[in-house]
Amino acid sequence: EDQVTQSPEALRLQEGESSSLNCSYTVSGLRGLFWYRQDPGKGPEFLFTLYSAGEEKEKERLKATLTKKESFLHITAPKPEDSATYLCAVQASGGSYIPTFGRGTSLIVHP
Amino acid sequence: NAGVTQTPKFQVLKTGQSMTLQCAQDMNHNSMYWYRQDPGMGLRLIYYSASEGTTDKGEVPNGYNVSRLNKREFSLRLESAAPSQTSVYFCASRLDRVGELFFGEGSRLTVL
Repeated sequence: EDQVTQSPEALRLQEGESSSLNCSYTVSGLRGLFWYRQDPGKGPEFLFTLYSAGEEKEKERLKATLTKKESFLHITAPKPEDSATYLCAVQASGGSYIPTFGRGTSLIVHP
Repeated sequence: NAGVTQTPKFQVLKTGQSMTLQCAQDMNHNSMYWYRQDPGMGLRLIYYSASEGTTDKGEVPNGYNVSRLNKREFSLRLESAAPSQTSVYFCASRLDRVGELFFGEGSRLTVL
């Protein structure tokens, strides 16, 4: 069974204080790992897809990296508008093609 | 540029009442999904439709039914609502069975 564990559950940062969110996964053959951002009262919004270990992708202050067991979402010099819940999901290379989601990390960035 | 549209956004039901949540996408996607999101539980898949004309159960299908009306529309029906079905429901779609999901804004359902 595919499993995704995100840590920490919640993270409070001061504006400009860089940090990382973790997504550990167990899957029988990774087809893709996805990061989403979810604002309160909204649906998740797609950020990145990573396909193989060693891959990295960047968007503004966010950088996602992937190893064979986990992915990190690095946030550099965060701003209050980066406050959101960040969700990680994995999709296996076979079977039902259903993505498995983690429970998310709630990030609050204080000005 | 509507993307995925869900209706209604809010609904209050009494135990035993029925209702249908509607979802439509305008991106010509083949696959559509219904999730529920509860505090501390994350997103859980209720039903999905990999392509027009097919539907399959997800992780938590009990108490729900779905209809893939056409390529654009995928509805979720609660035949006899229970308080345990109080949740936020999200519809999502994607081009095929792989790739990123595009989510609607959500439908917040309360069952009294």
